[in-house]
Amino acid sequence: KAGVTQTPRYLIKTRGQQVTLSCSPISGHRSVSWYQQTPGQGLQFLFEYFSETQRNKGNFPGRFSGRQFSNSRSEMNVSTLELGDSALYLCASSLEQGGVHEQYFGPGTRLTVT
Amino acid sequence: GENVEQHPSTLSVQEGDSAVIKCTYSDSASNYFPWYKQELGKRPQLIIDIRSNVGEKKDQRIAVTLNKTAKHFSLHITETQPEDSAVYFCAASKWNDMRFGAGTRLTVKP
Repeated sequence: KAGVTQTPRYLIKTRGQQVTLSCSPISGHRSVSWYQQTPGQGLQFLFEYFSETQRNKGNFPGRFSGRQFSNSRSEMNVSTLELGDSALYLCASSLEQGGVHEQYFGPGTRLTVT
Repeated sequence: GENVEQHPSTLSVQEGDSAVIKCTYSDSASNYFPWYKQELGKRPQLIIDIRSNVGEKKDQRIAVTLNKTAKHFSLHITETQPEDSAVYFCAASKWNDMRFGAGTRLTVKP
């Protein structure tokens, strides 16, 4: 099976702009989670989607939003970009089995805000 | 919500030595504890995991132990090799809610 894919891989934006990142999960995986990774803060949970519904949300401002489509592909959007939003954004897909979620990560999108 | 603490933040060992990374979690309902290895510029890769009904799991040179009473779990790497150099993340999960430790940068000196 193909792994988790993310597009674009690199992005440079200016403060105040908005950005949309895309994630395609492993075939058959219906859960997609998004994380922000920065050198000082590690992996911070943004939100999780399952069957087009947001099931769980981390402690990020409302400028961060997401959605999931019927084919399980997911997008996340960041509006009114700030310099502090520069980070690696990772998505992970998982197959719910036995009450646990084994998560598999995509390569990430490196966002730089100038 | 769940809070995961990971120690040490950096670890340097000689090739062939063992390395141990420790994590604690706060939510007693967490039931799944994976470990990820992230090499420079690459995605985190799942290397081993343990479920709450198991105390220890081993896969070749890597082992994980879980103490549910104390709410801590550890990663043990034996006979370390230079290719083990990476950042390692522990995580604790309660169903679809997974939270990560801050990471340990392991350096294995040849």
